[in-house]
Amino acid sequence: AAGVIQSPRHLIKEKRETATLKCYPIPRHDTVYWYQQGPGQDPQFLISFYEKMQSDKGSIPDRFSAQQFSDYHSELNMSSLELGDSALYFCASSQGRGGPLYEQYFGPGTRLTVT
Amino acid sequence: KNQVEQSPQSLIILEGKNCTLQCNYTVSPFSNLRWYKQDTGRGPVSLTIMTFSENTKSNGRYTATLDADTKQSSLHITASQLSDSASYICVVSDNTDKLIFGTGTRLQVFP
Repeated sequence: AAGVIQSPRHLIKEKRETATLKCYPIPRHDTVYWYQQGPGQDPQFLISFYEKMQSDKGSIPDRFSAQQFSDYHSELNMSSLELGDSALYFCASSQGRGGPLYEQYFGPGTRLTVT
Repeated sequence: KNQVEQSPQSLIILEGKNCTLQCNYTVSPFSNLRWYKQDTGRGPVSLTIMTFSENTKSNGRYTATLDADTKQSSLHITASQLSDSASYICVVSDNTDKLIFGTGTRLQVFP
């Protein structure tokens, strides 16, 4: 079965550079969620989109922005990168929003290293 | 503050043994509780998902219980296998899009 695809899987950037992470949800899934997991930490919710509109916002820094496109894929844009942005970034998708019926399926993650 | 706490923080068991992981939450309003298995460097994989009206749910050798009154959940693993070595995360939803992740239990199964 098709799963959530994230690219790139690994990314190395320098401080103050920009990075773009991509997420391709499972076919027919219309909701995308972004999470950030620092070393040894729990995943933290960043932002979510439903039907190409932002549906919820968590602890996403102002330096980050994201959007969902017409084909439902999503991109997380990160600017003025800081060392603390080094983390594993997960994307998840679901069919519909929230609630007990809408399971979130996680992608493999993008490991971002800022040097 | 919405919180999800898990115990123990880490656990070592021998292959074939059973174990139980605990989860306590203070999330309100409560929508559902999920248990995820996360291998190192990989995305979490869902094991079970329960609403407040469900007391127990099984998925193969994994059985989750939920007591919505005491806000406690447990994940019981039967006849553990080496491949069960992973982090097990209790996640609670408060009826919004975001999931509130627990601190996780790191399980190691040795032969």
